[in-house]
Amino acid sequence: KAGVTQTPRYLIKTRGQQVTLSCSPISGHRSVSWYQQTPGQGLQFLFEYFSETQRNKGNFPGRFSGRQFSNSRSEMNVSTLELGDSALYLCASSKGQGAYEQFFGPGTRLTVL
Amino acid sequence: QKEVEQDPGPLSVPEGAVVSLNCTYSNSAFQYFMWYRQYSRKGPELLMYTYSSGNKEDGRFTAQVDKSSKYISLFIRDSQPSDSATYLCAMSVPSYSGAGSYQLTFGKGTKLSVIP
Repeated sequence: KAGVTQTPRYLIKTRGQQVTLSCSPISGHRSVSWYQQTPGQGLQFLFEYFSETQRNKGNFPGRFSGRQFSNSRSEMNVSTLELGDSALYLCASSKGQGAYEQFFGPGTRLTVL
Repeated sequence: QKEVEQDPGPLSVPEGAVVSLNCTYSNSAFQYFMWYRQYSRKGPELLMYTYSSGNKEDGRFTAQVDKSSKYISLFIRDSQPSDSATYLCAMSVPSYSGAGSYQLTFGKGTKLSVIP
């Protein structure tokens, strides 16, 4: 069974730009969660989608948004990039009935210059 | 006080040693307790999860939860160089939105090196 895939793997942007990251969950998984990982803050929850609906949201500004499509694939968007947005963005999928079994993708490494 | 505290290490042990990794937490609402392993430049990989207090064993790994002390541990027996990674504890609590949705809170991770 294929794992969670994320594209692109690496991205370099400049301040003020916007970026869209993509995540394809494991086949049959309907829940997708997004996390930001930085050396200082560790892994922080951004949001979770299930059946195209955002079910849960972390404590991030409105510049961070996401969506989920009918095939469970998900995208997250960051507008007006700031230097502090440089991080590893991780997507995790689960069957949807409990977050305890979340399977992570390799992440997208975003660098903001 | 952060909800989940984890000693970042680094922790360096000789091959074959028993490794003990620990996290403490403050939120009594946490229900599921997980351990993830993350190799450099990779996403976290789920190692084990537990629900109740007590021990759960899987091969060389044992997860221990003490809800009364709000303390969880991961023990690695006969550690191998391939165990060198960052170990993250994670805990879940039902989200405000209900509907079977849970939110994971992670520790910052402990970096482990197993020296041959």
